[in-house]
Amino acid sequence: GNSVTQMEGPVTLSEEAFLTINCTYTATGYPSLFWYVQYPGEGLQLLLKATKADDKGSNKGFEATYRKETTSFHLEKGSVQVSDSAVYFCALARNAGGTSYGKLTFGQGTILTVHP
Amino acid sequence: ETGVTQSPTHLIKTRGQQVTLRCSSQSGHNTVSWYQQALGQGPQFIFQYYREEENGRGNFPPRFSGLQFPNYSSELNVNALELDDSALYLCASSLVAGATEAFFGQGTRLTVV
Repeated sequence: GNSVTQMEGPVTLSEEAFLTINCTYTATGYPSLFWYVQYPGEGLQLLLKATKADDKGSNKGFEATYRKETTSFHLEKGSVQVSDSAVYFCALARNAGGTSYGKLTFGQGTILTVHP
Repeated sequence: ETGVTQSPTHLIKTRGQQVTLRCSSQSGHNTVSWYQQALGQGPQFIFQYYREEENGRGNFPPRFSGLQFPNYSSELNVNALELDDSALYLCASSLVAGATEAFFGQGTRLTVV
């Protein structure tokens, strides 16, 4: 079945440091890949997505590239801010006939804390 | 455009009781999915409703059931509550069943004692 594995956290960084959160996946076919962010006490917000191999998703300074050869979708940001402190989830959704089935499979989440 | 709203935000139930959680989907969205997020874990897919019909189910027992109404709002019902049902329950809506993007509500925190 489908699965997503994220690097274990928590991750603690100083402001303006470089961020990488690793994500690898197992899936049949060619899934769409996502990063969601969850701020304290809130639901999930879509951060970025990529729907096919070699696509790069980007938003708010975050980037991730869909690497089919390594089945990875690592999240990166060049300079983190205190406001980026949150839990980050990597997820996939199976594509069928060009559209996603709609069921998201999530990783376990990575807690990021950024200190001033 | 209104987002996804869930109610209540928190509730406490006793083991063996029944609970109903509610979700209003984003305007124009006809698909609603429910997820269970245990503490420190990623969300787990419970089921999806599309145009009032169940359209896929995860590995949850039958005591987890749902409904979708003509206005596309949805309910999640859990019977015979167990302690392990304590979790954050998230509702997500999407434009159509095959959409690649889902919009989440803030969740309902259920505590079973």
